[in-house]
Amino acid sequence: GIQVEQSPPDLILQEGANSTLRCNFSDSVNNLQWFHQNPWGQLINLFYIPSGTKQNGRLSATTVATERYSLLYISSSQTTDSGVYFCAVLKAAGNKLTFGGGTRVLVKP
Amino acid sequence: EPEVTQTPSHQVTQMGQEVILRCVPISNHLYFYWYRQILGQKVEFLVSFYNNEISEKSEIFDDQFSVERPDGSNFTLKIRSTKLEDSAMYFCASNLGTRGDEQYFGPGTRLTVT
Repeated sequence: GIQVEQSPPDLILQEGANSTLRCNFSDSVNNLQWFHQNPWGQLINLFYIPSGTKQNGRLSATTVATERYSLLYISSSQTTDSGVYFCAVLKAAGNKLTFGGGTRVLVKP
Repeated sequence: EPEVTQTPSHQVTQMGQEVILRCVPISNHLYFYWYRQILGQKVEFLVSFYNNEISEKSEIFDDQFSVERPDGSNFTLKIRSTKLEDSAMYFCASNLGTRGDEQYFGPGTRLTVT
């Protein structure tokens, strides 16, 4: 099956700092989504981004499908950004999402 | 904005008992999914459902699991005889089903088996 690797596994930030999270995948995909898992365990949709660049407030994402990676940028981080960030991909010939292992982010005040 | 809802938010059950987790997908969506996440691990696909039948299932989805769309709005996951290792967060998702379409996730049900 398709492999999805996220890096770094853990990230500690001072409030106000910027950061970049990476998602590499091993095969062609039709869909890529980024999620934030909050402390209550809920998965919050951040981006649906099979290709290109999108921005939503302090967050933005870029997917380069031909090179099989996606980046999630967090700017001016806040303590509420803490949690686990997952990327998930849909292989070109399927309909199930395969999730990466996540990046655990802790933003300190 | 339409959203996927799940009930209950937390279910505690004893080993060997049957549980039913409920989901209400977005109303015009055609494909429905269940995923699970054991504490501290990645989210894993369980099953997808379309046109009143399973379209794909993972090796996790054995005979102890079943899914059903009992009416026009609900989508359920049944675990017949729960085991300790079934303790996890269970997420329902839905989408229109066109190729590569975004999947919309519910808030999850935390299942604790004691």
